[in-house]
Amino acid sequence: EVQLVESGGGLVQPGGSLRLSCAASGFTFTMYWMHWVRQAPGKGLVWVSRINSDGTRTSYAGSVQGRFTISRDNAKNTLFLQMTSLTADDTAVYYCARDLYGDYAQDSWGQGTLVTVSS
Amino acid sequence: EIVLTQSPGTLSLSPGERATLSCRASQSVSSSYLAWYQQKPGQAPRLLIYGASSRATGIPDRFSGSGSGTDFTLTISRLEPEDFAVYYCQQYGSSRYTFGQGTKLEIK
Repeated sequence: EVQLVESGGGLVQPGGSLRLSCAASGFTFTMYWMHWVRQAPGKGLVWVSRINSDGTRTSYAGSVQGRFTISRDNAKNTLFLQMTSLTADDTAVYYCARDLYGDYAQDSWGQGTLVTVSS
Repeated sequence: EIVLTQSPGTLSLSPGERATLSCRASQSVSSSYLAWYQQKPGQAPRLLIYGASSRATGIPDRFSGSGSGTDFTLTISRLEPEDFAVYYCQQYGSSRYTFGQGTKLEIK
């Protein structure tokens, strides 16, 4: 069974940094591109970032470009999102999601971790 | 950036009825790059449809997707109680993804 478990969320002050992790199991992690998607309280889904299977190619939403960095450790089956220069607009549940192999969608999702940016 | 606009914002129907949800793109989207998700309160999204019309694993056949170019549709042929949720369309383009704002399907 595919499992994605996010961690690292919490309360952070404006301008601060946070690193999220996503532990993957139940599938061959090294084969899959991975994503981060976020959802502000009561709002819709927003795609954040994507990384290819070997970690050499990344892409970002314009709203986080230059502030967030996606990475992965294939030896530990773990996905990361390093977030810096956080603002209140970054407050959201952050989901880790697996790419649908060979297609353009996300077919497995974690339960999310809440990031709150507030003083 | 391609903007996806979903309509209606809220759809009120009864179990057993047919639901038709629309997703319109600000410019043409390849059918291969259009997906639909379902999200229930407190849960992660669930992939329903990819490639505009292919059902994801385990998705009942009452869910179907269609469309091309700038106009896409998710149809639920006969609503079951568990289908009342928020639905999002998503597109991929220029190495990025964008979601529509969602349609809330509520029980009438």
